[in-house]
Amino acid sequence: GQNIDQPTEMTATEGAIVQINCTYQTSGFNGLFWYQQHAGEAPTFLSYNVLDGLEEKGRFSSFLSRSKGYSYLLLKELQMKDSASYLCAHRDDKIIFGKGTRLHILP
Amino acid sequence: EAQVTQNPRYLITVTGKKLTVTCSQNMNHEYMSWYRQDPGLGLRQIYYSMNVEVTDKGDVPEGYKVSRKEKRNFPLILESPSPNQTSLYFCASSSRTGMGNQPQHFGDGTRLSIL
Repeated sequence: GQNIDQPTEMTATEGAIVQINCTYQTSGFNGLFWYQQHAGEAPTFLSYNVLDGLEEKGRFSSFLSRSKGYSYLLLKELQMKDSASYLCAHRDDKIIFGKGTRLHILP
Repeated sequence: EAQVTQNPRYLITVTGKKLTVTCSQNMNHEYMSWYRQDPGLGLRQIYYSMNVEVTDKGDVPEGYKVSRKEKRNFPLILESPSPNQTSLYFCASSSRTGMGNQPQHFGDGTRLSIL
């Protein structure tokens, strides 16, 4: 079967770094996406990995290890506007999302 | 402007009264999908379509129908809505390459309440 797990909630301080982990099991694998979703809004695309290693995009980076079924999203220099839910998702014909990690930023 | 448009944004209706939520995209995307989002359950895929006249069940298809007669449109149909279909619904689209789906573009959501 297919499954994705990520922590339900995390808290971090403004200006700090936070790592949000995602583990998955899937019979086929075509890549993993990360999305950001603010409360009451639609998800927006952040990052994408199909090969092992780190992809960096400004303050956001995402890492993938296919052999371990593991990914993480790294957010640096946290800002209050980063308070949101972060969703990881398989990229396959049928798209499976994790339940999301709600990130709280403290001043 | 590239966008996914869904209508209505909000709807309150009663059990058993057929309804349709429309979804249209202007990016010529092959892949379109419907999701529902419920507290504690995250985003769950209802149906998806990889191209015109091709539709497949997602994880929670029961009680829903879809059609893909044109590339741009992917309506979600609730033939006989029930209260357990009260939820926030998102339509999304993406292009497809040889590697599979590209990032999804989401509509603004439809908040549906079934009384």
